[in-house]
Amino acid sequence: DAGVIQSPRHEVTEMGQEVTLRCKPISGHNSLFWYRQTMMRGLELLIYFNNNVPIDDSGMPEDRFSAKMPNASFSTLKIQPSEPRDSAVYFCASTEPGQSSSYEQYFGPGTRLTVT
Amino acid sequence: GQSLEQPSEVTAVEGAIVQINCTYQTSGFYGLSWYQQHDGGAPTFLSYNALDGLEETGRFSSFLSRSDSYGYLLLQELQMKDSASYFCAFDYNQGGKLIFGQGTELSVKP
Repeated sequence: DAGVIQSPRHEVTEMGQEVTLRCKPISGHNSLFWYRQTMMRGLELLIYFNNNVPIDDSGMPEDRFSAKMPNASFSTLKIQPSEPRDSAVYFCASTEPGQSSSYEQYFGPGTRLTVT
Repeated sequence: GQSLEQPSEVTAVEGAIVQINCTYQTSGFYGLSWYQQHDGGAPTFLSYNALDGLEETGRFSSFLSRSDSYGYLLLQELQMKDSASYFCAFDYNQGGKLIFGQGTELSVKP
């Protein structure tokens, strides 16, 4: 079975440019999470969706960040405009339906973003 | 607020046993998870404790004490491939929101 798929795997962009990260969750999973990982701040939850509906976006750092989930098999995280401090690894994760399994999250390989 | 504390680094030798501790503070708690992350890789789920006590999965065991807001991950018969970062995370609202600790970097020496 395919795991969580993220693209691109690496992204280098200049400050001020728009960046779009993409995620395809595991088929049948109904919750999707976006995380950011840096050495300084560790693994931070940015936003998560349940059945394509955003449930908690309290971790989104500022208005430059936005996320969408137009259907059960696709989500995007957009940064506009990007800044050097946005450089990090961005992970997408998904979980199976049911509260009893929400603690077991399946992570994608991540997108390493570098903003110069 | 919510927080977790775990040691930043642990070193052990191949074949030994190592324990990684995790303490937490939170107003909402449903269980404690452990994840492993190799350098350059993605976090992968190891274990989960919803109730007090020990859960065993092969060479790895995880323990939880709700009254002490404390848990640990026990790794036995250490192998070089166990060198990785280990994160504890608590399940805040049973809806999927996990709060992760800063991670413990385990180095296994020959």
